[in-house]
Amino acid sequence: GQNIDQPTEMTATEGAIVQINCTYQTSGFNGLFWYQQHAGEAPTFLSYNVLDGLEEKGRFSSFLSRSKGYSYLLLKELQMKDSASYLCAPETDSWGKLQFGAGTQVVVTP
Amino acid sequence: DTEVTQTPKHLVMGMTNKKSLKCEQHMGHRAMYWYKQKAKKPPELMFVYSYEKLSINESVPSRFSPECPNSSLLNLHLHALQPEDSALYLCASSQDPSGGARELFFGEGSRLTVL
Repeated sequence: GQNIDQPTEMTATEGAIVQINCTYQTSGFNGLFWYQQHAGEAPTFLSYNVLDGLEEKGRFSSFLSRSKGYSYLLLKELQMKDSASYLCAPETDSWGKLQFGAGTQVVVTP
Repeated sequence: DTEVTQTPKHLVMGMTNKKSLKCEQHMGHRAMYWYKQKAKKPPELMFVYSYEKLSINESVPSRFSPECPNSSLLNLHLHALQPEDSALYLCASSQDPSGGARELFFGEGSRLTVL
């Protein structure tokens, strides 16, 4: 079966850094996506990692270790608009088959 | 145009009704998806179409019937649904099923209520 673990909620202040960890055990693995979803809105793409290592994209960075079944999303210089749910989504045993984690609700406080 | 457009945004139907959800994209994407999302839960994959052919069906009940008339359109036909089928139905598309860009672009969803 598939198992994807990420924290339920994290709180941080504006300007701070938050790291959202995700561990996964899946039947097959092609790569890992991170999506952001604001309440009542569609998920939007943040990053895709297929190789081990860190991918940096502006204030957001994502890391992958395939051997450890581990990824993290790093949000820097937090802004109020970053308050949202962040979904870890491994692409599993066939192309296009994303398995979403339950999501981490990030709350940014002034 | 980087949008995936879904209609209707809201739909209320009885258990004996037949209705359809529609999804459209004009980005030239060749893979299209239906996901179901219940409140405070992550999206769950239902169907994947690759080059207008059904490539993944996640054991979805037959009361949900997908259709891909052409590369820009994806429909989800609904018949004899149950109240527990009430959810947000998300359509998504991605560029290249053969292994290229995998980023999924999501529509805003159709919120379905089954009475």
